[in-house]
Amino acid sequence: AQKITQTQPGMFVQEKEAVTLDCTYDTSDPSYGLFWYKQPSSGEMIFLIYQGSYDQQNATEGRYSLNFQKARKSANLVISASQLGDSAMYFCAMREGNLGGTSYGKLTFGQGTILTVHP
Amino acid sequence: DVKVTQSSRYLVKRTGEKVFLECVQDMDHENMFWYRQDPGLGLRLIYFSYDVKMKEKGDIPEGYSVSREKKERFSLILESASTNQTSMYLCASGRRGNSYNEQFFGPGTRLTVL
Repeated sequence: AQKITQTQPGMFVQEKEAVTLDCTYDTSDPSYGLFWYKQPSSGEMIFLIYQGSYDQQNATEGRYSLNFQKARKSANLVISASQLGDSAMYFCAMREGNLGGTSYGKLTFGQGTILTVHP
Repeated sequence: DVKVTQSSRYLVKRTGEKVFLECVQDMDHENMFWYRQDPGLGLRLIYFSYDVKMKEKGDIPEGYSVSREKKERFSLILESASTNQTSMYLCASGRRGNSYNEQFFGPGTRLTVL
C-alpha cells in the first residue's frame, strides 16, 4: 500500500489566488513527521514546511500552510496568493518514527503534483 | 550557505559500464541518502548511510551499491549500468535524530544509459 498519496498529477491556479495540494498518508506509528518540498524546473528540492504528528497547531511558513487532519490522515499544502514563481512540482513526504526506534531520517515521498500558476 | 553537491548534472553512459555518482555535504550531517526520481513515481530511496562505513538498503537497492569512507562523502555505484537505470538521481543529507530536521538535497544528476 502507498504510504504517501498525492492524487492530483497536475493543478492550475490563477495568479494571486489560493490553491490546495492534497496529500494523504498511511502509518501505524504514532510518531511521524510530514514535509512538503518544492522542485522547480531547475531540479533542486526546496524544503517548504514541516508538521509533526504531535503538533497541536497547523504549521505555517509565510504563504504556505499545512492543513493537518490527523484523523483523516491528510496533510494538505495551502499556498495563498499564488505567484508565477510558485509553478513547480510539489512533493509530500513522511518520516516515520520507526515505532520508537531510530528512523535515520528516511523519507517516503508521494508521486508529486505539478502546479502551474497562470497570469 | 549550506550545501550538498553532486559530481555531475548530466551523465551519459553505455550499458554495462560501471558508473560512480559522488555526493559531498558540508554540514557535518550524520545521515546521507540516495534517491532516484522517475515521472509518476516520485522519489524512491535506494540506499542510505547513518555513519561512516555504515549503509542500509532503501526500497530499491537492486543494481546499486554505495560507499561512505568519509563523513562528508557518499557515493552511489552502478556496477553494470542498464537502460532501466536511466533516471534523475538525488543525494540528500540530514542530521541524526527523530526530530523535525529536514533533508537537504543536491542539484541532482540526470543519468542516461544508452
